[in-house]
Amino acid sequence: GENVEQHPSTLSVQEGDSAVIKCTYSDSASNYFPWYKQELGKGPQLIIDIRSNVGEKKDQRIAVTLNKTAKHFSLHITETQPEDSAVYFCAASRVRDDKIIFGKGTRLHILP
Amino acid sequence: GAGVSQSPRYKVTKRGQDVALRCDPISGHVSLYWYRQALGQGPEFLTYFNYEAQQDKSGLPNDRFSAERPEGSISTLTIQRTEQRDSAMYRCASSTRDSDTQYFGPGTRLTVL
Repeated sequence: GENVEQHPSTLSVQEGDSAVIKCTYSDSASNYFPWYKQELGKGPQLIIDIRSNVGEKKDQRIAVTLNKTAKHFSLHITETQPEDSAVYFCAASRVRDDKIIFGKGTRLHILP
Repeated sequence: GAGVSQSPRYKVTKRGQDVALRCDPISGHVSLYWYRQALGQGPEFLTYFNYEAQQDKSGLPNDRFSAERPEGSISTLTIQRTEQRDSAMYRCASSTRDSDTQYFGPGTRLTVL
């Protein structure tokens, strides 16, 4: 089955700097890669996703890149702000209406 | 509109008791998923439904765990003869048939004493 590895487990960046979180996956059939943000006491919330037919996707300060050959994908947050502090999960899924396999999460701290 | 709701939000039970956790998906969402999230970990898939049909239950840890969605809306995850290792946050998510996006509920924190 699919296995998603995520690193780093903890990341601290100065406010205004960029943050990068990297993930790898094992199942070459996976074709949907969402990223979730989880704030304390809340459920995961989708922030951006990418499909296997696209190499990069941007949404304001957030971007995701995908390298299908190498089976890795990354989340980039630019101009970080205090409200970006949270746990971020990468995930992979094979097809629509299928289970999502999550990474173990990255705790992002934005330092003032 | 209303998001995914789960009840109870917190459940404390004694080892050996049965518990039933409820999930009310977003109205009109066809697919419903159950995950378990241990502290400091990502959600771990348990099972999912399309309408009332259970499509995949490969993530259920053992036969003490079961789930149903008899009318294709509300779902119940039941854990029989609970054990301390069952303590975790149980999360439900739902999605439409046309989208990959899963919307998560607030979860039920289960503590087995």
